[in-house]
This record gives sequence, structure tokens and C-alpha cells, in this order.
Amino acid sequence: EPEVTQTPSHQVTQMGQEVILRCVPISNHLYFYWYRQILGQKVEFLVSFYNNEISEKSEIFDDQFSVERPDGSNFTLKIRSTKLEDSAMYFCASGKDRGDQETQYFGPGTRLLVL
Amino acid sequence: AQSVTQLGSHVSVSEGALVLLRCNYSSSVPPYLFWYVQYPNQGLQLLLKYTSAATLVKGINGFEAEFKKSETSFHLTKPSAHMSDAAEYFCAVSGSSNTGKLIFGQGTTLQVKP
Repeated sequence: EPEVTQTPSHQVTQMGQEVILRCVPISNHLYFYWYRQILGQKVEFLVSFYNNEISEKSEIFDDQFSVERPDGSNFTLKIRSTKLEDSAMYFCASGKDRGDQETQYFGPGTRLLVL
Repeated sequence: AQSVTQLGSHVSVSEGALVLLRCNYSSSVPPYLFWYVQYPNQGLQLLLKYTSAATLVKGINGFEAEFKKSETSFHLTKPSAHMSDAAEYFCAVSGSSNTGKLIFGQGTTLQVKP
């Protein structure tokens, strides 16, 4: 069964450094998402992406964050200058169709620790 | 605006007992509701979803949930717990933006005792 994959599974970085989190969505999916979960808190929506454009972004997704689909398979989340509070589990998800009723398929997550 | 509240961050049941995980939502538009499960070191996996068809929704692994508009609830149940059901369960709502944005509850960890 196709699945969403994410790399790396864990990343440790110094405050102020740039990080890129990588995701390979399911191959025939067209809608892509990033969520994050700070330890002990809810899973939070960051951004949705379709047709090489951001469809919606949350207040969390400020100028330090960017997303890109650099080729036909990868979907990346970049944090330009990491802060301590960016430490979290980051989940990528993809969906086949548009619409709020559509199922999103999640990857296993990347645990980011900012020191 | 939409929100989800899951009552009980930890639920413990004995193997074979009824599982009941509570989810209440708030939504100014007709909601779509989801239950996801997360096993250790894995991604969130869809258990079931409500998309305004039948109010009683059956999912994988013997789980089901009933949408009750009057109570703004979407509780998850399973008649008989199995050890393999031990995991974290997330309730989520969407429907306010048509971009697929999911709003999650805080999650409930289900422990199954032998």
C-alpha cells in the first residue's frame, strides 16, 4: 500500500540554523499539507499546498517558513532560522482530491529538536 | 471557527472491555469529522470519517463513531478492546475552508490492560 514517507526521522539543530524537512507524498496525490505537534500539545495545521501554490496557511506559518515542491516527488518544509519553540514533531500529509471531506494520508513525522 | 475537545488524555480499559473515546466539536458550518490513530513511530492513520451521509460510521479494526448534532459529539467506540488497540487517538474536524485544513483535538492515549 502506498504511503507517505518523511526524512529525516530525527533532526537536531542549533538555534538560528536553517532546516529542511523532506516528504515524499503518495504518487498520484495532488494536495499536500504540513502539520506540527509540540510535545504535549495538539497537532496544529501549518500549511496546505496545491498546484505549486499555498492554498492556506496558519498564523504559525510566518516568513521563517516556506514550502516547495522542487520536483515531481518531493515536498519540503524549510525553516530559515530556527527558534527553540520550533522544536516539535512535523507531519507531512497528502490527499488525492480537493475538499474538506477528503482523507489525508500522513507520514510518520520528523522530530525536530532546536538547541 | 472550528475546534475539537477530547475528554480524557488517557483512557485505560481491560482487554475485552468496551472502548469509548470522547470527542466534542464546535463548528459554525456543517462539519466533517475524522478519527485518526497513531501507533508508536508511525504516522496518523485514518480510522473513520463522517461526511454527512450516515450518522453512524463504521471504520477499520472494529471501531465506529456516531455523529450527534444535538450533542455536537462524535465519540469513538469499539465493543471489545484488543491489546493491539493501544495507541494514541485523535479526533479532527474540517469544513471551514475547503482547503482540507484539519483541526485536531489534543489526543487520547488508550491503554489496554491484559
